[in-house]
Amino acid sequence: DADVTQTPRNRITKTGKRIMLECSQTKGHDRMYWYRQDPGLGLRLIYYSFDVKDINKGEISDGYSVSRQAQAKFSLSLESAIPNQTALYFCATSGGAGNQPQHFGDGTRLSIL
Amino acid sequence: SQELEQSPQSLIVQEGKNLTINCTSSKTLYGLYWYKQKYGEGLIFLMMLQKGGEEKSHEKITAKLDEKKQQSSLHITASQPSHAGIYLCGADRGGSNYKLTFGKGTLLTVNP
Repeated sequence: DADVTQTPRNRITKTGKRIMLECSQTKGHDRMYWYRQDPGLGLRLIYYSFDVKDINKGEISDGYSVSRQAQAKFSLSLESAIPNQTALYFCATSGGAGNQPQHFGDGTRLSIL
Repeated sequence: SQELEQSPQSLIVQEGKNLTINCTSSKTLYGLYWYKQKYGEGLIFLMMLQKGGEEKSHEKITAKLDEKKQQSSLHITASQPSHAGIYLCGADRGGSNYKLTFGKGTLLTVNP
């Protein structure tokens, strides 16, 4: 089983719909992150969380919200999806003190029509 | 402005050839991470470099950190089709945020 699991893997939806992407991890890491990846723009940080009570905005948080339901779960919501939120979304985790590598899920491909 | 510049953007090599990918930062590097991504899939962590002059190897992949130049290089020896994919560098901006800034990636194609 994957250490960082994202669901769904693919989603097609319509403009204006509310979408939730979920991430769960079995690595026991405190830190969790949400990124989006767009062609030509690379990976950009949306939100990050260092523990259940610590949630922070990243570079491009507008139009998104997150919830850290437990140490192992971090969900990303699009309250009212718009076409320019079509992208590949990644969840990542890292742990320990100091600099530690981030470990990524397999991604959710989201298309908004 | 782009904080991390990767070069080349894409690379096509014949199987068995050596190759180098560079990652240059416009800001001081506190830590440099290399990842590999198969198209449309997740990122796989390869190596982390933290000290100037540090060099790490994993199988046929070697990465170096030149802190003075704020640059890292990833070198693949005797490339194989299994090395094909997108290579991304990520840089730690310093402080206690542990956030990473990523380059746009280098697409590597290895022809058999």
